[in-house]
This record gives sequence, C-alpha cells and structure tokens, in this order.
Amino acid sequence: GQQLNQSPQSMFIQEGEDVSMNCTSSSIFNTWLWYKQDPGEGPVLLIALYKAGELTSNGRLTAQFGTTRKDSFLNISASIPSDVGIYFCAGQRAGTASKLTFGTGTRLQVTL
Amino acid sequence: NAGVTQTPKFQVLKTGQSMTLQCAQDMNHNSMYWYRQDPGMGLRLIYYSASEGTTDKGEVPNGYNVSRLNKREFSLRLESAAPSQTSVYFCASSHRGDNSPLHFGNGTRLTVT
Repeated sequence: GQQLNQSPQSMFIQEGEDVSMNCTSSSIFNTWLWYKQDPGEGPVLLIALYKAGELTSNGRLTAQFGTTRKDSFLNISASIPSDVGIYFCAGQRAGTASKLTFGTGTRLQVTL
Repeated sequence: NAGVTQTPKFQVLKTGQSMTLQCAQDMNHNSMYWYRQDPGMGLRLIYYSASEGTTDKGEVPNGYNVSRLNKREFSLRLESAAPSQTSVYFCASSHRGDNSPLHFGNGTRLTVT
C-alpha cells in the first residue's frame, strides 16, 4: 500500500522558531489532513484542507493544499514546548469513504 | 463525553494466543476503523466499517477479524497472534462519507512474544 512521503523525519528547533514540514505523493488527493500525536495518545486533527491551493490557519498553524493536489505543507510559527510531538499528514482520494493514506510522520522536538 | 474508548491499553501475548481488542464511540458516528502504527510506517488501515452491519478489508487485514457489534462498538480479533503483530493499534470513528475527519482513541499497545 502507498505511504505518503513526509519530510523532514525529525527536527530539533529552538523555542520561538518557525517550523515547516511537507508531505508529497505520486497520486492525487482531494482532501489533505494534518494530525498531531502526543506520546501515549491517538492522533488529533489539526487542520483539514478540501480544495487545491487552499490555505487554512488554526492559531499558530497554517497548512496549504498544493496546487498539483499531490502535496501539502504545514507551518508552525513561534514554536513553544507543547508543540512537541509527531505530526502526520493524511490524504484521501475521491470516493474512498474516509479511508485515509497516512504519511510516515515528522517528529518535532523543541529545545528551550 | 469520552469520544473513542479502547481497551485494554496494554497487552502481552504469547505466539498463538488469541485476544479481542475492544473499541466504543459515543459520538453517534456511522463509520469505524482499526489502524496499526509501526515505527517509520505511519498508520495503516486494517479493517473498517462504513456503517453498522458492514465491514471491509483495509491495507493490512491478514491475521485479523472484526465485528461491528452495534453502531457504537467495533472489535478487532487476533485468532493466533504472531510476533509480526506487535504494534500499537488505534480505533477511530467518523461520520459517514468523504470529508469526515477521523477521531482516534488512545491506542492499545500489543506485544507478542
């Protein structure tokens, strides 16, 4: 089965820095989602994107649905310690009844 | 409002033993899912149930069976556990159809020795 390519796999950043991560696929998706997973918990939805070119924000988080429909980007501004976790992208093709394909994850660690 | 509840949280099995992972949701969602999460692999769909009374295979169904007991509950059974099934298992639910985000439980960490 296909997995989405996420990069970077992990990153260390200092508190206050901005963070960028991306997700690419060889296939077209009609929905892109970004999830965050804290240790010992399940993924929690951060942002949902439904239209090519769409740019959506949720507080300090901004995500974009790539114009080719094969990629998506997540930015976190002014990172804080609670941003630590694993960030997953997920794509959904048309007519697949919520069956998602997940990326391999980006592990974010923030140093003070 | 508990959301999606999974039991147990941890389990150790010996090769060949069987067990059932339980999942219940209280959000009146139509669709329910079982995923497994392995290091470096992201989340992979095992089985899903688009609505009460239906189940379908996902990406990695071999070695598993599921039962959609009612609208709230969706269980995952390992009939004869194997070390390759050591993983973290997540149950999720959503409303029906496209563009319905998944809500996840907190996972069951299973080790098969």
